[in-house]
Parts: sequence; C-alpha cells; structure tokens
Amino acid sequence: GDSVTQMEGPVTLSEEAFLTINCTYTATGYPSLFWYVQYPGEGLQLLLKATKADDKGSNKGFEATYRKETTSFHLEKGSVQVSDSAVYFCALRTQGGSEKLVFGKGTKLTVNP
Amino acid sequence: DAGITQSPRHKVTETGTPVTLRCHQTENHRYMYWYRQDPGHGLRLIHYSYGVKDTDKGEVSDGYSVSRSKTEDFLLTLESATSSQTSVYFCAISESSGSTGELFFGEGSRLTVL
Repeated sequence: GDSVTQMEGPVTLSEEAFLTINCTYTATGYPSLFWYVQYPGEGLQLLLKATKADDKGSNKGFEATYRKETTSFHLEKGSVQVSDSAVYFCALRTQGGSEKLVFGKGTKLTVNP
Repeated sequence: DAGITQSPRHKVTETGTPVTLRCHQTENHRYMYWYRQDPGHGLRLIHYSYGVKDTDKGEVSDGYSVSRSKTEDFLLTLESATSSQTSVYFCAISESSGSTGELFFGEGSRLTVL
C-alpha cells in the first residue's frame, strides 16, 4: 500500500542554520505530495504541496521538490528561526478516487537561539 | 482559518465507558476525517466520510464507530473505551476528493482512558 517514510527526529538546530528533512514515498499511480506543520498545542496546517513531478512547493521560506525518479520530497529551508520549531509531517494523496491522506510519522524540529 | 470545532478538547474517562467526540464544521465541505496521533506513529486514519450517511473505515478502525447525519457534524464513538485508545484525536475536512485537495484540521481532542 501507499506509505511515507521521513527521517527520524528529533532535529535540533541553531538559529540561521540550514534545514533538511528527508521524505520518501511509495505509491501506486501519481500522488500529490504535501508537507504539514504542527505547532505546539495546535492542529496540523498545510505548509506546501506539489502535485506533479518536478514541481516545487514553497511557503514561508520552506521548499520541497517532487522528485519522481527518487520518489522523494525533501523539505529544506536556508535559514531557520526559533519560530520554526514544530513537528513536520510529510504526506501523500493518490489519484484514482482515493480521498485519504497518508502521513509519515513526523519529525520534531527544535531551533535554539 | 477553516471553521472546524472539536469537542470536548480534553476528556478523562475510565476503561469500559462510552465516549463520543464531536467535530463540527462551518465550511460545508463534503469530506470529513478522524485521525489519531500517537508518538512514533504519526497520524493514522480511523474513519472518514464522503457525504451524509456515507462513511468508510481507515487503517485503525477497530473499536471505533462514526456517524454523519448532517453535513456539518461528524461524530466519533468509542463504544467501550480502552487504555490503548488514549490519544489525541484530530478531525479534518476537505472540499474535494481530488488528489490535490488540502485537508484542514481541527485543534484536536485529548482523550485519556484510565
């Protein structure tokens, strides 16, 4: 079945450091890919998405490129801030009538001043 | 922000008691979902609904039932709560079934079963 594997956390960085959170997927067909973020005490919210191969999603300085050849959708940010501390979830949603979103296990990011 | 309200936000109950969590939306979205979030497991789908009275099981549906009698309300029921159902439960909604559709999440309901 469809699945998402993302790097284990937690990840701890200093402010202004470069961030990469790896995400790979297994899916039948051609999925859409998402990154969701969960700030402490809140629900998940969409960070960015890409719907086809080679698309780049971007938002709030975060970027991820849909790589079909490596089945990957790694999240990157050039300079993290303390306010980026959160749990990040990679997710996929397949075509063909599937209404479900499949999530990775989440990666907790802590950014220290 | 999407209009999604979960209630109760926090509940402590005892093993064997029934529990109902409510998700209410004001967006008139067709699709509604219940997920549970546990450390080391991420989010796992319990049940979802694709219309009034139309529901289907997710990957962890055992011990849970759902009902949707109105577009705006999606209820999750634990008929006889167990300690393994201690979790944070999230409701989500989506306007369409298309693969590009975004899910909007509620703030979560924390359930503790003693």
